[in-house]
Amino acid sequence: IVMTQSPVTLSVSPGEGAALSCRASQSISSNLAWYQQKPGQAPRLLIYGASTRAPGIPARFSGSGSGTEFTLTISSLQSEDFAVYYCQQYNNWPLTFGGGTKVEI
Amino acid sequence: QVQLQESGPGLVQPSQTLSLTCSVSGVSVRSGNFYWNWIRQPAGKGLEWIGRIYTSGSTYYNPSLMSRVTISMDTSKSQFSLLLASVTAADTAVYYCARDYGDYVYFDLWGRGTLVTVSS
Repeated sequence: IVMTQSPVTLSVSPGEGAALSCRASQSISSNLAWYQQKPGQAPRLLIYGASTRAPGIPARFSGSGSGTEFTLTISSLQSEDFAVYYCQQYNNWPLTFGGGTKVEI
Repeated sequence: QVQLQESGPGLVQPSQTLSLTCSVSGVSVRSGNFYWNWIRQPAGKGLEWIGRIYTSGSTYYNPSLMSRVTISMDTSKSQFSLLLASVTAADTAVYYCARDYGDYVYFDLWGRGTLVTVSS
């Protein structure tokens, strides 16, 4: 399954909201996760099951969607939120990731 | 506190075999609750899942790498390992080990990653 993320780069001012898109090439139900990756660090799990926040993840991160269209919404960007975000499907083997969206200031 | 730590050579010659180990602390790799994975990321690029292993020793690999990959586990040392044969420059990447819960394969815990460069 091919995962396509858009946009590739998103320029946002601190305090603004952001919506990141992830599209699957075929239906993956709600078997989608989102990760945040900062330079030089491993990815961090944000969302699983398309909409469930992982433990310790702030409420400003929310996920929605099912089937082939998914969205990660960050309600009010903080300085620590500027990073690259990846989606990953786990409905079919092999597991696949999107190409990422870079959220920059 | 559960931690994963990758280790192994940072430089591998073309056509040789890449060998990495992930040491797990704070939880037993024998735990039936978890699967243990390898994922890689070329510089400036996205993530590619390589494969996973369960405490029973059962494995599942990405078909794109299956012919060259072996993942094994040493429960006595709380470690699992990756072998990738016949490497080329395209295998240069940061390699991560990561944990998943099994039925729903998302990764809740990652190692810090280790850079492996394939070059003569």
